[in-house]
Amino acid sequence: DTAVSQTPKYLVTQMGNDKSIKCEQNLGHDTMYWYKQDSKKFLKIMFSYNNKELIINETVPNRFSPKSPDKAHLNLHINSLELGDSAVYFCASSQVKEMSNQPQHFGDGTRLSIL
Amino acid sequence: KNEVEQSPQNLTAQEGEFITINCSYSVGISALHWLQQHPGGGIVSLFMLSSGKKKHGRLIATINIQEKHSSLHITASHPRDSAVYICAVNGNYGGATNKLIFGTGTLLAVQP
Repeated sequence: DTAVSQTPKYLVTQMGNDKSIKCEQNLGHDTMYWYKQDSKKFLKIMFSYNNKELIINETVPNRFSPKSPDKAHLNLHINSLELGDSAVYFCASSQVKEMSNQPQHFGDGTRLSIL
Repeated sequence: KNEVEQSPQNLTAQEGEFITINCSYSVGISALHWLQQHPGGGIVSLFMLSSGKKKHGRLIATINIQEKHSSLHITASHPRDSAVYICAVNGNYGGATNKLIFGTGTLLAVQP
């Protein structure tokens, strides 16, 4: 069974379009994340949700809007896509205990290409 | 300058060689992670450590908190170890956050 699954795996679209990436985890974790990996393979956090509540928002343009309908899902909606949005987007989850870090489990990534 | 630095950026080794990848960080941390990413693939967590040393199969990770340095060692390397290895740290932000700051990765190629 896939622990963290994100769809679609590939997304090719035109500049200016609106698109969504979905993420689901079946690990029972209470915290989920979105990361962006640029063309140089550098990873950076975008958002983190804990029990459906936004806890990290790393100065991401407001064209990006995460939505967490429940703690097992964290979707990413992107409006008015720009060329610079081309990247691989990774979803992850972890069980966060207060003051105690836990390993994060990553999805396989969504490769977004803007034409 | 990135808060997490890795060296080398690229590493080519012959099968069977002992490999070391280094990670230095400049922030206070609560934990350090080593991740593996195969070409075109997802990201797998190899180790999470906050002190000492951990071993899993042919992989060994060590951390020196005083020197703010960690190393990932691969013994008896194999072509299937070829991947990008990423160091990441949890900063001392307090509370129930788990924000990771990533290094730039080390691309390892093990040749048969």
